[in-house]
Amino acid sequence: KAGVTQTPRYLIKTRGQQVTLSCSPISGHRSVSWYQQTPGQGLQFLFEYFSETQRNKGNFPGRFSGRQFSNSRSEMNVSTLELGDSALYLCASSKDGYTNTEAFFGQGTRLTVV
Amino acid sequence: SQKIEQNSEALNIQEGKTATLTCNYTNYSPAYLQWYRQDPGRGPVFLLLIRENEKEKRKERLKVTFDTTLKQSLFHITASQPADSATYLCALDHNAGNMLTFGGGTRLMVKP
Repeated sequence: KAGVTQTPRYLIKTRGQQVTLSCSPISGHRSVSWYQQTPGQGLQFLFEYFSETQRNKGNFPGRFSGRQFSNSRSEMNVSTLELGDSALYLCASSKDGYTNTEAFFGQGTRLTVV
Repeated sequence: SQKIEQNSEALNIQEGKTATLTCNYTNYSPAYLQWYRQDPGRGPVFLLLIRENEKEKRKERLKVTFDTTLKQSLFHITASQPADSATYLCALDHNAGNMLTFGGGTRLMVKP
């Protein structure tokens, strides 16, 4: 079956702009989580959506937001981009979002803010 | 706050030897701990999950231990191969949905 698909793979934006990233989870998976990965901070949890509701949220400013649709596809949005938002953004899906389950990651979207 | 640490220095070993990676955590008592492998430019791939009441878990050439007293997990790759070269990440499972706290990862280089 198809894996987690993230689009676009690469993105270049200018400071102050906003950006929307998309994630299609594995078919049948209802939980989608987003992570930011940078060389300095590593992999950091942004938020998790389950059945269209945000269930968990990491320690990021309100400029970072997301949503999940009824088909479990998810989007995350970053407004008023800053240079420090340059990172690899990873989406992970899991079947039912309970603990004790593995997360399946997409290939990520590489965002560069100039 | 919770802290999870992995040796940030790269681990270089010879092919055929056993690689041992360490993951230490503080200020938290996770019920589960997960290990992932990440190759450059790709998302992490799940390897193993171990529960707090499991001292050891194995999968083929991989072995994970979980010592809740020491607050430490060890990840072993036996008979290592150059194809095992990658960054290995440990992650605390918060027992609250699909939310993981990752360590910084350890880069493993297996030389032929």
